Amino acid sequence: SQTIHQWPATLVQPVGSPLSLECTVEGTSNPNLYWYRQAAGRGLQLLFYSVGIGQISSEVPQNLSASRPQDRQFILSSKKLLLSDSGFYLCAWSGQARNEKLFFGSGTQLSVL
Amino acid sequence: SQQGEEDPQALSIQEGENATMNCSYKTSINNLQWYRQNSGRGLVHLILIRSNEREKHSGRLRVTLDTSKKSSSLLITASRAADTASYFCAPAGANNLFFGTGTRLTVIP
Repeated sequence: SQTIHQWPATLVQPVGSPLSLECTVEGTSNPNLYWYRQAAGRGLQLLFYSVGIGQISSEVPQNLSASRPQDRQFILSSKKLLLSDSGFYLCAWSGQARNEKLFFGSGTQLSVL
Repeated sequence: SQQGEEDPQALSIQEGENATMNCSYKTSINNLQWYRQNSGRGLVHLILIRSNEREKHSGRLRVTLDTSKKSSSLLITASRAADTASYFCAPAGANNLFFGTGTRLTVIP
């Protein structure tokens, strides 16, 4: 069966520090991969999606970047965190059709202080 | 906007009652999906209804879709305390899913 792993679960970082969040998927090949952010009490904002290795699409211009070095690995990064980067970050995967159902990881709560 | 908008924002009911949440959207869709999120956790897919379907059931869940009104509803029957969570709709066009702010459901034992 397919599983998605996301870590760390919580992270507290100072403003200006770098960020690296990692997500891996098991049990499926060539998934579509997504990063969403959820601010407190808000909906989910799609940040990045990837349909294949090295293929990254950004939905919202911002202080973050994403990379997909391997088929089932998706990394969210920042060189210098801002206070506004705080939030709950969720990784998800889907099959080849991007409008089919998503399977989410357990999320990373990021606090930038 | 491509995202769904859920209504109400918050709903509090007694255990055993039914809970109805509504979703409106503005663009054409291929399907519409409902997800559940427990506090501090990832979202879990509940049900997907395609644009050519009007109603779908899954256990205690009933989803309706009216594409002419660009709206959907999620009904949870005989609610339980464990149903307490946030519920999100996600209209799906040709590409990605966009989520609204959700309905926060509280089921009081």
